[in-house]
Amino acid sequence: EIVLTQSPATLSLSPGERATLSCRASQSVRSYLAWYQQKPGQAPRLLIYDASTRATGIPARFSGSGSGTDFTLSISSLEPEDSAVYYCQERTNLWTFGQGTKVEVK
Amino acid sequence: EVQLLDSGGGLVQPGGSLRLSCAASGFPFTNYAMAWVRQAPGKGLEWISTLSGDGTDPYYADSVRGRFTISRDNPQNTLSLQMSSLRAEDTAVYYCAITFPTYNSKYFQNWGQGTLVTVSS
Repeated sequence: EIVLTQSPATLSLSPGERATLSCRASQSVRSYLAWYQQKPGQAPRLLIYDASTRATGIPARFSGSGSGTDFTLSISSLEPEDSAVYYCQERTNLWTFGQGTKVEVK
Repeated sequence: EVQLLDSGGGLVQPGGSLRLSCAASGFPFTNYAMAWVRQAPGKGLEWISTLSGDGTDPYYADSVRGRFTISRDNPQNTLSLQMSSLRAEDTAVYYCAITFPTYNSKYFQNWGQGTLVTVSS
């Protein structure tokens, strides 16, 4: 079973700054990794799939990169509405989520 | 517009049973594998089950295998999760989700609003 480890646990930044979130897989998942955003009281929303493809309607300030075991989600210019928990996810055999990174924008 | 409406949650005693439903609309239901993902209070996301579009291939997480059964009624565009032998650790918000792409179902494209299951005496 693949384990996804996200870092940092919490990221506190100011509006306009760049956020860099990491997701590391315990073994290669090639480029088959997704990122989700979840705001309090809401269902998750797909942001990025296949490591770097933005889902429909996702702003260009969100970008993903990486392959193999190391992946990054970047938010180029943070807005207050980007405050949320971000999860990475893969399916090599079964489906697995990382533990999440909380981003605070204030 | 794609819509997923989760229902059936509530308070149940340990050892009890509950059936969740997800009413789907706005997309060709039969073409997509569907999944259930849960989130315990204050915790992260946990995938628990996926069912192929034709209903013949179920997958389960170890934490629920043998206790939960996923099923679908394609003519009615409905996904279900029958939960039995419920434990306190099954307390969570349960979300149904559409998997994509259709050929490998790797990701969760759309999510329901979730339904809360509380297991407590």
